[in-house]
Amino acid sequence: SQTIHQWPATLVQPVGSPLSLECTVEGTSNPNLYWYRQAAGRGLQLLFYSIGIGQISSEVPQNLSASRPQDRQFILSSKKLLLSDSGFYLCAWNKGRFAGNTIYFGEGSWLTVV
Amino acid sequence: QQQVKQSPQSLIVQKGGISIINCAYENTAFDYFPWYQQFPGKGPALLIAIRPDVSEKKEGRFTISFNKSAKQFSLHIMDSQPGDSATYFCAATSGSARQLTFGSGTQLTVLP
Repeated sequence: SQTIHQWPATLVQPVGSPLSLECTVEGTSNPNLYWYRQAAGRGLQLLFYSIGIGQISSEVPQNLSASRPQDRQFILSSKKLLLSDSGFYLCAWNKGRFAGNTIYFGEGSWLTVV
Repeated sequence: QQQVKQSPQSLIVQKGGISIINCAYENTAFDYFPWYQQFPGKGPALLIAIRPDVSEKKEGRFTISFNKSAKQFSLHIMDSQPGDSATYFCAATSGSARQLTFGSGTQLTVLP
């Protein structure tokens, strides 16, 4: 069966510090991968998605970036965090093009920028 | 620009009652409409989904009603239970990457 792992689960970072959140999917190949952000009490905003290694699409301009160095690995990064970057970050995947619509979410990473 | 509008923002229902959450969309490129359930501190989980060529889909106590001409869809939870208390998100899928656009969410509280 397929599983998604996301870490770290929680982190507190000072303003201006770098960020790296990592996500891996097991049990599938060539997945579509996604990063979403959820601000406290708000909906989910799509940040980035990827349909393959090295292929990243950005939905919202900001100081975050994403990379996909391996087929089932997706990384969210920032060089300098802002207070407004605080939120609940969710990695998600689906089976890829022509293989279904269902998107599965990880358990999320809580980021507090202080 | 909010492409999927969801209401109400919060909903309180007595145990055994019916919970109804409504969504409307604008983008006719959307071609798949899932509902997600999210408990505090957890990632959203798929609850039920519908394609636009179907007007209704039922799975257990959960039913989606879909009105393509009005570009509206709704979630009905029959016999609501305290364990259904969660945040519910409607969503719509588009594009070759099947990316989801979410509504703003409805916090459902079912009183015992």
